Amino acid sequence: DQQVKQNSPSLSVQEGRISILNCDYTNSMFDYFLWYKKYPAEGPTFLISISSIKDKNEDGRFTVFLNKSAKHLSLHIVPSQPGDSAVYFCAASETGTYKYIFGTGTRLKVLA
Amino acid sequence: GAGVSQSPRYKVAKRGQDVALRCDPISGHVSLFWYQQALGQGPEFLTYFQNEAQLDKSGLPSDRFFAERPEGSVSTLKIQRTQQEDSAVYLCASSQTGFDEQYFGPGTRLTVT
Repeated sequence: DQQVKQNSPSLSVQEGRISILNCDYTNSMFDYFLWYKKYPAEGPTFLISISSIKDKNEDGRFTVFLNKSAKHLSLHIVPSQPGDSAVYFCAASETGTYKYIFGTGTRLKVLA
Repeated sequence: GAGVSQSPRYKVAKRGQDVALRCDPISGHVSLFWYQQALGQGPEFLTYFQNEAQLDKSGLPSDRFFAERPEGSVSTLKIQRTQQEDSAVYLCASSQTGFDEQYFGPGTRLTVT
């Protein structure tokens, strides 16, 4: 039973355009969400997070949106750059717990 | 400062062999996690340490898997009598408190032949 789902295994976007990566979750107890970025042969690196008390969090070119009623979050990258090409993982947890539940990842390719 | 390091980066084991994977967390980080990442999947939680205490080992797939962190810093994940289904990338992560952002190492890719 996959509690965190990333239904798009891959996404290609032109440089300069917006990349939108989606994530759905089923556990209504999740209230803290993170996005990690992973390059080949490296470990995941933290990108941005959002708590359920907010519906948006922004950090430079990266914005995460949370829709609690739909149990859906998305990561927007604007403008997309070739260096953003990586696998992006969505993760969820409950506040006060340490366990992250990860999605299966979306491979983003930004075309120059 | 130095990030999380793991060794070896790659390990090939024959079925039935024992392996030991090492993790050096970020200095001063209290919490340490092990994850298993199968091909095409996201990382899956294996076990959690706070200092030297193993507080959660609910994700360990079988009793062939054993983890320790005897002095509250370096950790070792041991897999006994490896099976082909153990082939995966094993990721270690650390965090300051356990409830904040986790920093991941590069992983050890284990291939069991």
